[in-house]
Amino acid sequence: GENVEQHPSTLSVQEGDSAVIKCTYSDSASNYFPWYKQELGKGPQLIIDIRSNVGEKKDQRIAVTLNKTAKHFSLHITETQPEDSAVYFCAAPREDAGNMLTFGGGTRLMVKP
Amino acid sequence: GAGVSQSPSNKVTEKGKDVELRCDPISGHTALYWYRQSLGQGLEFLIYFQGNSAPDKSGLPSDRFSAERTGGSVSTLTIQRTQQEDSAVYLCASRVHQMNTEAFFGQGTRLTVV
Repeated sequence: GENVEQHPSTLSVQEGDSAVIKCTYSDSASNYFPWYKQELGKGPQLIIDIRSNVGEKKDQRIAVTLNKTAKHFSLHITETQPEDSAVYFCAAPREDAGNMLTFGGGTRLMVKP
Repeated sequence: GAGVSQSPSNKVTEKGKDVELRCDPISGHTALYWYRQSLGQGLEFLIYFQGNSAPDKSGLPSDRFSAERTGGSVSTLTIQRTQQEDSAVYLCASRVHQMNTEAFFGQGTRLTVV
């Protein structure tokens, strides 16, 4: 199976600052690492993902880095804005279960204006 | 539809009653997943369907929980003899197939057992 751990569970930053959320996973065979954002009362929505053939991927203010040797990956949000406030989840697939995603415990990000 | 649709959005039921939660996946998506999210918690895997294969039920917490997927499309999650600890948001997600592609989530059904 796959075990995904996520830190921190809560993160408060000032608008304009950067935010970093970190995840570790257990299955060295995993090769796909998505990040989801969940706003209040809504389902999670994919914001960025990375595959194991690259070490970093960037999309405007968000980026994800992957260290396969250490089995950890991180989400970086720069120039945070109040609308970035949400719960963020990392995930990794279970290859023994049809690539079903195992999720981290979530990080509640609060961006203070 | 354009996205994954779940119904009802909210359900309040009395302890001991049965409930049915419905998920309409994106058309053409062969993989369908049910997750449970307790208040302020992460996503707990319940069950997974892929095409016409037998579902992976390894995440179901007890034999009071069951799910089916008819015609490879709509899925129903049934909870029998509901208990207060069943109160949570039940999320459904679908994928084009079981390969590592984006999983699209519905808005969830908030179940409250009183």
